[in-house]
Amino acid sequence: GQQVMQIPQYQHVQEGEDFTTYCNSSTTLSNIQWYKQRPGGHPVFLIQLVKSGEVKKQKRLTFQFGEAKKNSSLHITATQTTDVGTYFCAGRTSASKIIFGSGTRLSIRP
Amino acid sequence: DAGVTQSPTHLIKTRGQQVTLRCSPKSGHDTVSWYQQALGQGPQFIFQYYEEEERQRGNFPDRFSGHQFPNYSSELNVNALLLGDSALYLCASSSISGTPLYNEQFFGPGTRLTVL
Repeated sequence: GQQVMQIPQYQHVQEGEDFTTYCNSSTTLSNIQWYKQRPGGHPVFLIQLVKSGEVKKQKRLTFQFGEAKKNSSLHITATQTTDVGTYFCAGRTSASKIIFGSGTRLSIRP
Repeated sequence: DAGVTQSPTHLIKTRGQQVTLRCSPKSGHDTVSWYQQALGQGPQFIFQYYEEEERQRGNFPDRFSGHQFPNYSSELNVNALLLGDSALYLCASSSISGTPLYNEQFFGPGTRLTVL
């Protein structure tokens, strides 16, 4: 079946270091969304990417959608303790189903 | 403006029992999706309701059923509970009347179901 793989599973960084998480889909996606889930919380929508090769920035966060619309990445520059949480990508298939990646859990050493 | 609300917050059931979870979407939203999130995993799509009908369904057995009411609220029913049904059940609302490809989802706080 259709899958969205996300790596790495965990990332532990020093505060101020950069962080990147990657998603790869087995099929072409209509769009991809990114969510952040704090420990004990629920997913919170961050952004949606629709166009091939699209790049969007939100302050220290940079989101990219691959040319083939099968992969995506989230990069955080100069992490802060408030960035702690699990980051999920969620791809929308051509059949309009949303498939979440397994998430990357980010922890930060102050 | 209330966001997405879910009830109950926590629930403990035994194997074989049935459970009903409830969700009220964000004001102005007409579409409700349900997800199951096991510990340490990403949310798994169960189904989506729009106009009181199931529009999409993920890979879940018929033990999982749902309903959407005229006020857009929704219920998730699970019959014949198994130990493996223990998870956080998330409801997400959106508006299908937005642009076709833009469908930002707002998640509720979830219901933590424990099956003993």
